[in-house]
Amino acid sequence: QQQVKQSPQSLIVQKGGISIINCAYENTAFDYFPWYQQFPGKGPALLIAIRPDVSEKKEGRFTISFNKSAKQFSLHIMDSQPGDSATYFCAASPTTGANNLFFGTGTRLTVIP
Amino acid sequence: NAGVMQNPRHLVRRRGQEARLRCSPMKGHSHVYWYRQLPEEGLKFMVYLQKENIIDESGMPKERFSAEFPKEGPSILRIQQVVRGDSAAYFCASSRTGGWTPPAFGPGTRLTVT
Repeated sequence: QQQVKQSPQSLIVQKGGISIINCAYENTAFDYFPWYQQFPGKGPALLIAIRPDVSEKKEGRFTISFNKSAKQFSLHIMDSQPGDSATYFCAASPTTGANNLFFGTGTRLTVIP
Repeated sequence: NAGVMQNPRHLVRRRGQEARLRCSPMKGHSHVYWYRQLPEEGLKFMVYLQKENIIDESGMPKERFSAEFPKEGPSILRIQQVVRGDSAAYFCASSRTGGWTPPAFGPGTRLTVT
């Protein structure tokens, strides 16, 4: 059972465009929502994260939008660059009790020069 | 400050052999998590350990897989009698004690079973 659903599976964007990746969850015990970036042959690296008490968080070109009532959150990459080409994973976790991360299935982003 | 270290980075085993994967958490971190990533899939939680204790092993297969995090030394994920379906990337992550913090991931061990 996939606790976090992620779409699209792959995404091709022109340089300078906006990349948008969407995720949805069901478990209301989740209260921490990170995004990880993974390059081939490397481990996932934390990119940006949000807690449900805010609806948006921005760090540089990366923005998370969070809709608590819809149980959805998304990553927006503004002014996408070829160096952003990687696989992006959304995840969710409770921060009390068993606090392991539940990952989405990943989005392979390709930014075309 | 070194990050999470895993070794070996690549491991090839024949069917039926044992695989031992090692993870040294970041300095100051005493929580260790193991995740498995199958090709073209997301990471799946396997086990969560603290020093000398298994806290949550709900993601571990019931047979052949075991994990430990001794008082001294790295955490070990052990897979006995490996099968082709065990071929995957295995990632270790660690976090510090004293409240929840997002774990930092290591570079992974890529296991290939021939």
